[in-house]
Amino acid sequence: NAGVTQTPKFQVLKTGQSMTLQCAQDMNHNSMYWYRQDPGMGLRLIYYSASEGTTDKGEVPNGYNVSRLNKREFSLRLESAAPSQTSVYFCASLPAGGPGTQYFGPGTRLLVL
Amino acid sequence: AQSVTQLGSHVSVSEGALVLLRCNYSSSVPPYLFWYVQYPNQGLQLLLKYTSAATLVKGINGFEAEFKKSETSFHLTKPSAHMSDAAEYFCAVSDDFSGTYKYIFGTGTRLKVLA
Repeated sequence: NAGVTQTPKFQVLKTGQSMTLQCAQDMNHNSMYWYRQDPGMGLRLIYYSASEGTTDKGEVPNGYNVSRLNKREFSLRLESAAPSQTSVYFCASLPAGGPGTQYFGPGTRLLVL
Repeated sequence: AQSVTQLGSHVSVSEGALVLLRCNYSSSVPPYLFWYVQYPNQGLQLLLKYTSAATLVKGINGFEAEFKKSETSFHLTKPSAHMSDAAEYFCAVSDDFSGTYKYIFGTGTRLKVLA
């Protein structure tokens, strides 16, 4: 049982490049989330998926797109990376049954030059 | 709308001293409240959570928190700090029972433990 896994662990992009951050969970959780963490700002929600087949915007969705490929996988895409998207990205999952404990992946550190 | 305020972005305590990390929340309905810990270069892991049962909640590693509705607070405490407690701590709130279960996180408090 690996929990929540994220790839890659670290990435450097040039402005304007695109990339997809991958997230997978093997706990059969219904809901999945993408956050970004910036110094002094805590975690901010980018997108979330309450269940397979649904996605919704969070607090800071601009510049990102997501795909809930199946129940296990939830990817985050940057179509045209900008320096302001330099951050640490965390994926999280939540089992069914209410606002309980979220399980977090180890994070992806992204640097946009 | 729900929100969370963590007072003090940095807290330093001596080893063996009391740890007190403050969290105040705003919510229109009884919330669920959480404390997470993040060690360097790792993801967040749950310390403890309040889900409308007992107001004093005990978590892992000797931490506990008390839900005080009158003060809209959920402060985290530990009687005696260990060097291994040095980390960043996040308070989070959810009062979204509509099925989407969104969470709001505080800006974090970095705890430093002095030898």
